[in-house]
Amino acid sequence: DTEVTQTPKHLVMGMTNKKSLKCEQHMGHRAMYWYKQKAKKPPELMFVYSYEKLSINESVPSRFSPECPNSSLLNLHLHALQPEDSALYLCASSQEAVGADTQYFGPGTRLTVL
Amino acid sequence: EDQVTQSPEALRLQEGESSSLNCSYTVSGLRGLFWYRQDPGKGPEFLFTLYSAGEEKEKERLKATLTKKESFLHITAPKPEDSATYLCAADSGNTPLVFGKGTRLSVIA
Repeated sequence: DTEVTQTPKHLVMGMTNKKSLKCEQHMGHRAMYWYKQKAKKPPELMFVYSYEKLSINESVPSRFSPECPNSSLLNLHLHALQPEDSALYLCASSQEAVGADTQYFGPGTRLTVL
Repeated sequence: EDQVTQSPEALRLQEGESSSLNCSYTVSGLRGLFWYRQDPGKGPEFLFTLYSAGEEKEKERLKATLTKKESFLHITAPKPEDSATYLCAADSGNTPLVFGKGTRLSVIA
């Protein structure tokens, strides 16, 4: 089973709201990722967690706050977002963060910021 | 700087008309080359991983090949359900994946 699940599927929020995106995998993978994807563009890496520790932060604004409570779960906390943050947010996981392991993606959360 | 370039940007095929998508890469020390399929509004679906020049992998109507400078995704006798964006990505060890911009494939019945 190579399934990564994400909730919610869709999220609409105002600029003053606080919300969270959730990602889960049960493949025993030790690396998990958050990507942001705008329409007709490739996914853009935001964060990488390796063995539950943040290993890469691609200069993402602090209004995005990742959290990895355990090896199967990854959250992305959102606060004071801007309309330009509207996008498809993708979670992915792989066996390890190094070693050219295949990343498996979830279905994404479509975020709209009003 | 590591780069992945995909061509063409968009491709329109008649059902049954075979073709190839190109992914050229400039990375120092390629460790893996990945192909994904993405339907609109959905997450990328893994297709293939290629690790060394000369390697080939097949799945149904798709065949991926790798040389030292590029990878090809060959689509044989495509069907309308093959319509999607095909993404290529390279792992150079600097960041986990460097993506190309994708090829949008439309297969017309």
